[in-house]
Amino acid sequence: QKEVEQDPGPLSVPEGAIVSLNCTYSNSAFQYFMWYRQYSRKGPELLMYTYSSGNKEDGRFTAQVDKSSKYISLFIRDSQPSDSATYLCATEGGPGGGADGLTFGKGTHLIIQP
Amino acid sequence: SAVISQKPSRDICQRGTSLTIQCQVDSQVTMMFWYRQQPGQSLTLIATANQGSEATYESGFVIDKFPISRPNLTFSTLTVSNMSPEDSSIYLCSVNSGYLQAFFGQGTRLTVV
Repeated sequence: QKEVEQDPGPLSVPEGAIVSLNCTYSNSAFQYFMWYRQYSRKGPELLMYTYSSGNKEDGRFTAQVDKSSKYISLFIRDSQPSDSATYLCATEGGPGGGADGLTFGKGTHLIIQP
Repeated sequence: SAVISQKPSRDICQRGTSLTIQCQVDSQVTMMFWYRQQPGQSLTLIATANQGSEATYESGFVIDKFPISRPNLTFSTLTVSNMSPEDSSIYLCSVNSGYLQAFFGQGTRLTVV
């Protein structure tokens, strides 16, 4: 069985702060890691994905993977109230270990205070 | 990008009845995925649906409870059968963009009373 652990929060920070969101995963075989953002009453939207270890940057967002510790992170710089949402991490492959679908963490509810 | 239309957006149903959720994509896709999102829980894969073949179900989900149809490359349905309050959840369909799943529908918020 695959597992992805994520602190559900809520995480509340002031506007402009740097936000750090984190997940751990159990299956060392997988290479792709995704971050989704989900606004209330909406479907998840893909923010970023990374392959293997290392960093990937996109504007104010940086995704980081440390495969040695099975740890994935999403950093948000200069956080804005519009960043308030639930952030979901995911790894490739279904929860039963199959190659299809994704396995998600529970999501972290982020609140950016104006 | 793919645009996914999911219907209904929400429903309140009596226990023991069934609800069919529709997912329409604006482009042809090989695989479609159905997920359940229960309060406080992870988004959980129910099954993978390929056109022309039986859906593949994850552990804990069975065809009798969640029958899926995939009649063509742009459409799929998920039926929640013989509902109980424990089936109250958000149900989402998703499609691949290349190797990665990138697009989700808006979800169907189901309440069973």
